[in-house]
Amino acid sequence: NAGVMQNPRHLVRRRGQEARLRCSPMKGHSHVYWYRQLPEEGLKFMVYLQKENIIDESGMPKERFSAEFPKEGPSILRIQQVVRGDSAAYFCASSPPGGYGYTFGSGTRLTVV
Amino acid sequence: SQELEQSPQSLIVQEGKNLTINCTSSKTLYGLYWYKQKYGEGLIFLMMLQKGGEEKSHEKITAKLDEKKQQSSLHITASQPSHAGIYLCGADAGNNRKLIWGLGTSLAVNP
Repeated sequence: NAGVMQNPRHLVRRRGQEARLRCSPMKGHSHVYWYRQLPEEGLKFMVYLQKENIIDESGMPKERFSAEFPKEGPSILRIQQVVRGDSAAYFCASSPPGGYGYTFGSGTRLTVV
Repeated sequence: SQELEQSPQSLIVQEGKNLTINCTSSKTLYGLYWYKQKYGEGLIFLMMLQKGGEEKSHEKITAKLDEKKQQSSLHITASQPSHAGIYLCGADAGNNRKLIWGLGTSLAVNP
């Protein structure tokens, strides 16, 4: 029973490129959450998705960031035209339908050079 | 300002000693979570507390949530080097599945 799978573990992008981060939730989990961890700032909520629906995107920057959780396949966090300030660890978590208990992935560490 | 205040920020203890980490909010919390993170790795779930006055234990770690559901403590008994890491408290402050977080407590245990 694999946990939450995130890939890649490490991602290096040049300024202006696009970054795509993937998250496959635990089996049986239909709720996916993305968090960003910046040095000295702690974890910050970005977005909460269910299959084909964005439930709460109040933590997403207004521009360049988007997220989806399609009917088939992993959830994707997409960052267009990355800037140095986007360098951070991005964590995905999943939870079962109707319940709590968040399981986190190992994260994707994005470095923008 | 941080929505969840954790203290202390860092802690160094001798193996075998007990220690306590605190997590405080100005709001009532609907769920309080404790996780452990090792540098460069993901978050490992430790415990979840939901009811005021609730206390849970697993191995040598005990977590409590106060009656007002605004403060939690994590207590480690007879610490071991394997307990070293960053302890994070997260909480659902609006019953909306959107967790807020403390900045973490970095724990080192000297053998």
